[in-house]
Amino acid sequence: GQQLNQSPQSMFIQEGEDVSMNCTSSSIFNTWLWYKQEPGEGPVLLIALYKAGELTSNGRLTAQFGITRKDSFLNISASIPSDVGIYFCAGQRSNDYKLSFGAGTTVTVRA
Amino acid sequence: GAVVSQHPSRVICKSGTSVKIECRSLDFQATTMFWYRQFPKQSLMLMATSNEGSKATYEQGVEKDKFLINHASLTLSTLTVTSAHPEDSSFYICSARNRFSYEQYFGPGTRLTVT
Repeated sequence: GQQLNQSPQSMFIQEGEDVSMNCTSSSIFNTWLWYKQEPGEGPVLLIALYKAGELTSNGRLTAQFGITRKDSFLNISASIPSDVGIYFCAGQRSNDYKLSFGAGTTVTVRA
Repeated sequence: GAVVSQHPSRVICKSGTSVKIECRSLDFQATTMFWYRQFPKQSLMLMATSNEGSKATYEQGVEKDKFLINHASLTLSTLTVTSAHPEDSSFYICSARNRFSYEQYFGPGTRLTVT
């Protein structure tokens, strides 16, 4: 699938700080999803977004589906050590359900 | 809910042998399953889409005779890496789509090492 542009590639943050990452694409998606992957494991779904402009929260996580349907961002508020991992955005078209993934954002939290 | 399992979690095989990896949706019916490959420090790359009861569709550059996919039931898909070579060593991950939803749930992955 087509690669999305995800940034930043990595970030080192202090515990308690807010984190923000985003994904952009040259083409439109009908669904945006955010996953977290820890070493040696499969990605775990964090948030799914279905409508342009939609803002959805899951605990300390908030994600938005861009109004143009070509971008999305994920915020993590008040980061804690267990937020360490790689976060991937994924865009999906409804005709074939295939996911196109971003390159990932590696988050490391300093205690 | 939405649990996907993979077996085995790790496998080491000799060059030239074949390896089968199973992907099961444990608590839902998966009309479609997807197979991905992930190299170290890289993102997931889609290899093929597996639809229950029909032939898999492969992404460009993925050899269908080398990566055999079977999706015989609504809860099981298998990926067989035939005549494996060291360059096939990778992390193979499946995902399953609930037939009533757009969301995909991923298995825990299978680490394949070909010696």
